[in-house]
Amino acid sequence: NAGVTQTPKFQVLKTGQSMTLQCAQDMNHNSMYWYRQDPGMGLRLIYYSASEGTTDKGEVPNGYNVSRLNKREFSLRLESAAPSQTSVYFCASSEIAVSYNEQFFGPGTRLTVL
Amino acid sequence: AQSVTQPDIHITVSEGASLELRCNYSYGATPYLFWYVQSPGQGLQLLLKYFSGDTLVQGIKGFEAEFKRSQSSFNLRKPSVHWSDAAEYFCAVGAWEAAGNKLTFGGGTRVLVKP
Repeated sequence: NAGVTQTPKFQVLKTGQSMTLQCAQDMNHNSMYWYRQDPGMGLRLIYYSASEGTTDKGEVPNGYNVSRLNKREFSLRLESAAPSQTSVYFCASSEIAVSYNEQFFGPGTRLTVL
Repeated sequence: AQSVTQPDIHITVSEGASLELRCNYSYGATPYLFWYVQSPGQGLQLLLKYFSGDTLVQGIKGFEAEFKRSQSSFNLRKPSVHWSDAAEYFCAVGAWEAAGNKLTFGGGTRVLVKP
């Protein structure tokens, strides 16, 4: 039982390049989330998917797109990377999308945009 | 909208000493409160959570937290710190929404443990 997995672990991009961050969970959870973590700012929600087939914006969605590929997988795409998107990205999942439900986090992807 | 403040960015504590991390939240209704720990290079792990009932909550790794509604606080404590407790700690508040499970995180407190 791997929990939440993310690929890649590290990535360096040049400004304007695109990339997709992959996330998968094997806990049969319905809900999945993408966060970014910046020093002193905690984690901020980018997008979430309450259930398969639905996605919604979080606090900082600009410059990102997401795809809930199936129940297990939730990807985050940067179409044209900018230095402001340098961050650590975490994927999380929960059984259902209610506030008392624990979220389980992946190990993160450290992204640098030059 | 809810918000979370962790006033201490860094705390240094000696091994064996007690630890208290502060968390203040702002939310109009009864909050759902969480403490997560992030070890270096790792994702976040849930330490404990408060939804209702007993205001003193026990968690994993010997941690506990106390919810004080009058002070809008949810401070995390451990009586005796181990070197393995060196990590970053995040307080988070959840709010009931029609859809989604939106957590708002504080900025984090990094704990250094001296031998």
